[in-house]
Amino acid sequence: EAGVVQSPRYKIIEKKQPVAFWCNPISGHNTLYWYLQNLGQGPELLIRYENEEAVDDSQLPKDRFSAERLKGVDSTLKIQPAELGDSAVYLCASSLVGVSEAFFGQGTRLTVV
Amino acid sequence: DAKTTQPPSMDCAEGRAANLPCNHSTISGNEYVYWYRQIHSQGPQYIIHGLKNNETNEMASLIITEDRKSSTLILPHATLRDTAVYYCIVGGEEGGSEKLVFGKGTKLTVNP
Repeated sequence: EAGVVQSPRYKIIEKKQPVAFWCNPISGHNTLYWYLQNLGQGPELLIRYENEEAVDDSQLPKDRFSAERLKGVDSTLKIQPAELGDSAVYLCASSLVGVSEAFFGQGTRLTVV
Repeated sequence: DAKTTQPPSMDCAEGRAANLPCNHSTISGNEYVYWYRQIHSQGPQYIIHGLKNNETNEMASLIITEDRKSSTLILPHATLRDTAVYYCIVGGEEGGSEKLVFGKGTKLTVNP
């Protein structure tokens, strides 16, 4: 069974440019998370979806970040415009029943130059 | 902020047991203890979780003190592939849809 799939694996962009990350969760998982991980730090939650609904987006910088999960399956996280400080790994995770066992993708490593 | 305290790093000899401690003195009655690990360049991986009783699965054992203020993750026979950052997380009800609040974790290095 395929795990959580994220693309691209790596992305390098110039500051002020837009960027988008895609996540395909495990089939049947209703809960989807986007996390941001800075070097040497643990992941930090950006947004959590229950099906199509964003139930926790309190940590999402809404001036430049947006996310969507159409049809409650795949999800896209967008940054526009990107800043140098956005360089990090963006992780997507999904779970069937809450946080008891969340499955993470390999992440997208973003470098803003 | 994370509600747990872990040593920043630990070393273990290959084949020996690795015992990773975690303090969670402010844990509330219905909160679970979760352990995840993150191998270099990969996403975090679930290991085990528990409420009160000790738990064991194919990966590890989780020992929770009677007062629930601390716990220990035990890898019974550590291998080089167990080198990773281990995160101890205190969170909501099993099956509840809460976020995982990660701290900095413990960097475990298994030496040959």
